[in-house]
Amino acid sequence: DTAVSQTPKYLVTQMGNDKSIKCEQNLGHDTMYWYKQDSKKFLKIMFSYNNKELIINETVPNRFSPKSPDKAHLNLHINSLELGDSAVYFCASSQSLASYNEQFFGPGTRLTVL
Amino acid sequence: AQTVTQSQPEMSVQEAETVTLSCTYDTSESDYYLFWYKQPPSRQMILVIRQEAYKQQNATENRFSVNFQKAAKSFSLKISDSQLGDAAMYFCAYRSANNNDMRFGAGTRLTVKP
Repeated sequence: DTAVSQTPKYLVTQMGNDKSIKCEQNLGHDTMYWYKQDSKKFLKIMFSYNNKELIINETVPNRFSPKSPDKAHLNLHINSLELGDSAVYFCASSQSLASYNEQFFGPGTRLTVL
Repeated sequence: AQTVTQSQPEMSVQEAETVTLSCTYDTSESDYYLFWYKQPPSRQMILVIRQEAYKQQNATENRFSVNFQKAAKSFSLKISDSQLGDAAMYFCAYRSANNNDMRFGAGTRLTVKP
């Protein structure tokens, strides 16, 4: 029944590794997002996808790449992980890109880079 | 760029009392949307309330209401009859009607005392 799900919930890895976080929504939404929440709880949007096309690409390093195999999934791939990548990553979805739409968030993935 | 400021890192309230969380924002736009999201310890972000900038009437959702002052660029959240389950981080967010950017404040941690 979970509307927006993410796996894994926790991810601990070494610097330099490549990892992926998966996100799925079963709401039939057209738009999905990735956010990063740092240790100070500051939440910042990284990407959004609408109908499988990247709409926003904030100034994040190109080591981060979103991949959407279909409308219900938006996975986040991170290459060459760095210490500063440690954070909680949230996936979200909304019915459309319209600004008034509520965004539904996943439970987050806590990434720790050692 | 639009910025969102929450000047209260932490607030506490006695159960059944009323508390107001502050939020101000900076924008040159006239059409936008404002949101309050709640993040309990489970980390799941949940929409509490939203306000369209073109509406003068303050939004209300049960015990939650906002005081939207467009000229002052202020968007405070009032929680009436506070309950233990209201304890969480509360994030104020701004989204332009003209683009897809979503900006969050730094959050206010609300503690509810029994």
